[in-house]
Formats: sequence, C-alpha cells, structure tokens
Amino acid sequence: AQSVTQLGSHVSVSEGALVLLRCNYSSSVPPYLFWYVQYPNQGLQLLLKYTTGATLVKGINGFEAEFKKSETSFHLTKPSAHMSDAAEYFCAVSEDNYGQNFVFGPGTRLSVLP
Amino acid sequence: SQTIHQWPATLVQPVGSPLSLECTVEGTSNPNLYWYRQAAGRGLQLLFYSVGIGQISSEVPQNLSASRPQDRQFILSSKKLLLSDSGFYLCAWRGGRNEQFFGPGTRLTVL
Repeated sequence: AQSVTQLGSHVSVSEGALVLLRCNYSSSVPPYLFWYVQYPNQGLQLLLKYTTGATLVKGINGFEAEFKKSETSFHLTKPSAHMSDAAEYFCAVSEDNYGQNFVFGPGTRLSVLP
Repeated sequence: SQTIHQWPATLVQPVGSPLSLECTVEGTSNPNLYWYRQAAGRGLQLLFYSVGIGQISSEVPQNLSASRPQDRQFILSSKKLLLSDSGFYLCAWRGGRNEQFFGPGTRLTVL
C-alpha cells in the first residue's frame, strides 16, 4: 500500500522568500502524485499533478513540483512567497486507475511573515 | 464544466440527533464519489467511496453511513451523532487522471 509523509507540520517563510514543502511517498508501482491547497474553512483545491511524462510540473499560483523517482520525492516549491500563500498544503498519491487508493499526507501549514 | 456542491455549509447538532449531509455533482456522469472527514488538527480520513448508484464502500467502521440514491448525489448520514463526529466533511469526485476535486465542505459541530 502507498503512503505519504510530509516533513514539517508547520513551515514559516518571509514574504518574498523561497517556499519549499517536502513530500515523500512510498508506492509499489509508478504513482500519480498531487499537491492540494486548503484555505481556512474551504475545500481542497488542486495545485498541480504528476501522472506521466515531464517530471517538473507547473501548477497554479506560481507553484511547481518535481517528481524524483530515485528519491521517492515530490517537493513543492515557489520562488517568492506571497502573503496569500498562507494555507495548509497536502501531498497525495494514487496508485491505480480507479482512484480508490488515494492517500493524503498529514499536511503542512505554511505561514508567510511580512 | 464540473461543479460540486455540499450543504449545509455549517451545522450544529446535539449529541444523539440524526445527520444528513448532501453532496451533488454537476457536469459529469457516473462519477466516483468520496466522503472525507477532517478532524481539528488532523489530516483527511476517507470515510466512504462510491463507484455507482447504490454502490458504497466503507473505509472505516464508524457511526456513519452513506448512500447514493442518484448518479450525481451522495449522502452522508447518521442515526445518532456522537461528540467524536464533529469535524469538517468533504465530498469529492474523481477526474480523468485520478485527481480528486473537492466540494466546499460542511463544518459539523456536535454539542
């Protein structure tokens, strides 16, 4: 069965600084990987996804993530943090084509300091 | 385009009362549908999923049940709420590349 770990339950960065949120996964087959963002009292919004092909994936709001098979990682980055990026971020992995085995990480809360 | 609705947005219920949360999807047919719960300070827990009308799979034993009476309708229910049922309930549907798209959620507080 697949699993997801996110290093750091809470990350703080200054406005304009690099954002790096870490995600590592385990999977017995090539995975589908996702990052979601959740603002307070709202549902989850898909930021980006990796299925096949190019390992560097660009998403909305200037975020991108790179799939590194050798490191079983899918870290999320943004060159310059904005105050509006403050939210909770979830990494997720899906192993099959039916989506039942869709596993979320525990989440990382991002704070952006002025 | 596809949209997903949940209601109510917030709900405060006494312990022992019944529950019915509704989720509907527009713009797609025969979607896979999911119910998640997000307890305070915790991640997402998959409660139920459905691949079609009348087909429900439960991921964890609990005080809740789910039904799918129509293709694009997914209902979460309880006969008697417990304090531990409090949380943020999210409905989702599966897209073509395995991604899941979430509704706005229902905040349930059991007192």
